[in-house]
Amino acid sequence: AQSVTQPDIHITVSEGASLELRCNYSYGATPYLFWYVQSPGQGLQLLLKYFSGDTLVQGIKGFEAEFKRSQSSFNLRKPSVHWSDAAEYFCAVGEGDMRFGAGTRLTVKP
Amino acid sequence: DAGVIQSPRHEVTEMGQEVTLRCKPISGHNSLFWYRQTMMRGLELLIYFNNNVPIDDSGMPEDRFSAKMPNASFSTLKIQPSEPRDSAVYFCASSPRGGRDTGELFFGEGSRLTVL
Repeated sequence: AQSVTQPDIHITVSEGASLELRCNYSYGATPYLFWYVQSPGQGLQLLLKYFSGDTLVQGIKGFEAEFKRSQSSFNLRKPSVHWSDAAEYFCAVGEGDMRFGAGTRLTVKP
Repeated sequence: DAGVIQSPRHEVTEMGQEVTLRCKPISGHNSLFWYRQTMMRGLELLIYFNNNVPIDDSGMPEDRFSAKMPNASFSTLKIQPSEPRDSAVYFCASSPRGGRDTGELFFGEGSRLTVL
């Protein structure tokens, strides 16, 4: 069965610092992988997705993620965090019955 | 473009009452999903439809929960009778099928349900 693990429940970074959010997946076939962001009181918005091809994918708001099959990982990165990036981030895997990780809450310090 | 529209945005009700949540997916999307979000359990897939047909309802917690999709532009999630443990934010999402967009979900803003 497909599943997603986000090991970090909460991360705090300083504004301007780099960010990496971890995601590990379990999936029987070539996975469809996604990162979504949720601001307070809002629905989820897609940041980026990976289906096939180049393992480094670019998304909106300056985010990128790298698919590493050997590590079953799809970590999200941003070189310089802005205060507006404070939100909850969800990794997801699958197609149809998409499964989400527990989420990582990002706090940005001034 | 109109996104996924959910109503009501907020619902407060008393235990035992019937609750109906509504969703209008993005026009042209063939798949519709209902998720429940709580602090304890995160985002849980309750049920999803493809071309108005329920494909997987294994996430529906109990018989008190039911979902319908009578046509391509409307779906309901009903809880009868409601219980305090049903308090959560319920999200509806829709998805186009096929091609590069396979699997991407577009979420509504959610319906926050409080059962007293």
